Amino acid sequence: GAVVSQHPSWVICKSGTSVKIECRSLDFQATTMFWYRQFPKQSLMLMATSNEGSKATYEQGVEKDKFLINHASLTLSTLTVTSAHPEDSSFYICSAREQNDQPQHFGDGTRLSIL
Amino acid sequence: QKEVEQNSGPLSVPEGAIASLNCTYSDRVSQSFFWYRQYSGKSPELIMSIYSNGDKEDGRFTAQLNKASQYVSLLIRDSQPSDSATYLCAVNSNDYKLSFGAGTTVTVRA
Repeated sequence: GAVVSQHPSWVICKSGTSVKIECRSLDFQATTMFWYRQFPKQSLMLMATSNEGSKATYEQGVEKDKFLINHASLTLSTLTVTSAHPEDSSFYICSAREQNDQPQHFGDGTRLSIL
Repeated sequence: QKEVEQNSGPLSVPEGAIASLNCTYSDRVSQSFFWYRQYSGKSPELIMSIYSNGDKEDGRFTAQLNKASQYVSLLIRDSQPSDSATYLCAVNSNDYKLSFGAGTTVTVRA
């Protein structure tokens, strides 16, 4: 149980392109979903927290107009990287949680490379 | 002081031995504790959740929690080469976000 599906697994695109990443909880309802970014050899960095039906809460230093998050249902959240540039290249990972005291379950991640 | 601290690695153990991972946390009101395993280039995978003081066993893994000492540990018995990974200690903060330790990289020598 507790499977989180994330697509696509990897994206290579030109600078200036917008990229959408989907995160789905397959066998549970996720009241909260999280988006992380991880650079090589570094720790996970939380970007934003989203609750179904409400606006995402962004961590300090994360541009909300750059990283658009939509959590339209209890099983789906999307992250759109708008007008991506090479410095946005990273490993993006979503996670989902059913209740506050429950563990977060992670998707497989999306490796984004902007040329 | 970091919110969650893990014993520095890397940790190298021979196959079949016990790997011991330690973690301390600073927020005394934390109630939920997790261990994740992350293979290189992959996303974290939940290994154990623990909420009450004492031991919790799941297969070759045992988590131990001591809230008074603000300490949580993970033991991996009969370590296998496939256990080679980075292990992340995670603690639910009072705003229900996860605070992660820096991770301990474990290498199991065949």
